[in-house]
Amino acid sequence: AQTVTQSQPEMSVQEAETVTLSCTYDTSESDYYLFWYKQPPSRQMILVIRQEAYKQQNATENRFSVNFQKAAKSFSLKISDSQLGDAAMYFCAYRGAYSGTYKYIFGTGTRLKVLA
Amino acid sequence: EAGVAQSPRYKIIEKRQSVAFWCNPISGHATLYWYQQILGQGPKLLIQFQNNGVVDDSQLPKDRFSAERLKGVDSTLKIQPAKLEDSAVYLCASSEARDRGNTEAFFGQGTRLTVV
Repeated sequence: AQTVTQSQPEMSVQEAETVTLSCTYDTSESDYYLFWYKQPPSRQMILVIRQEAYKQQNATENRFSVNFQKAAKSFSLKISDSQLGDAAMYFCAYRGAYSGTYKYIFGTGTRLKVLA
Repeated sequence: EAGVAQSPRYKIIEKRQSVAFWCNPISGHATLYWYQQILGQGPKLLIQFQNNGVVDDSQLPKDRFSAERLKGVDSTLKIQPAKLEDSAVYLCASSEARDRGNTEAFFGQGTRLTVV
């Protein structure tokens, strides 16, 4: 079975600085998707960034980028120029590409605090 | 495009009472998920539907939880009788049922259930 581990329950960053959130996963599948979701106090999960395992190039979305290390099964999220609005829970998630079940498996989350 | 709709947003019930949650997924999304998110934890999949069939309900406590998705669109999740440990946020999500392309899961705002 696939598992997702986030070892940092909480992180803090100064406004305008850069922070990296860690995620590791375990799977026997060769093809899959990885996601970072943001959950603000409003509770609605919002997709931040997505990585396809068969693509070697790391995904980037404006201030958000990932460091995807397939062999190490590591998928970290880097937030550059942190803003107050980035404060939220961040969840790493896994989904098999050909699993047939399209089940999203989530980590336990990292609470990000942004200090003014 | 309308998002995933859930109701109610909040519910407080006494233990041993019953409660039902409703979810309307994004139009055209064949896959619908119900997740349970206990405070401080990541979402845990309770049940996954593909159209109106159940794909995965391995973590659904079937002695008290039930769910249905009539006509492959709306879904309801019921708890009867509720226990104190059922206090959580119940998230509904939907996605397209495909191996490639747009594989993002879209989430509703969730229902916060408090059992007293």
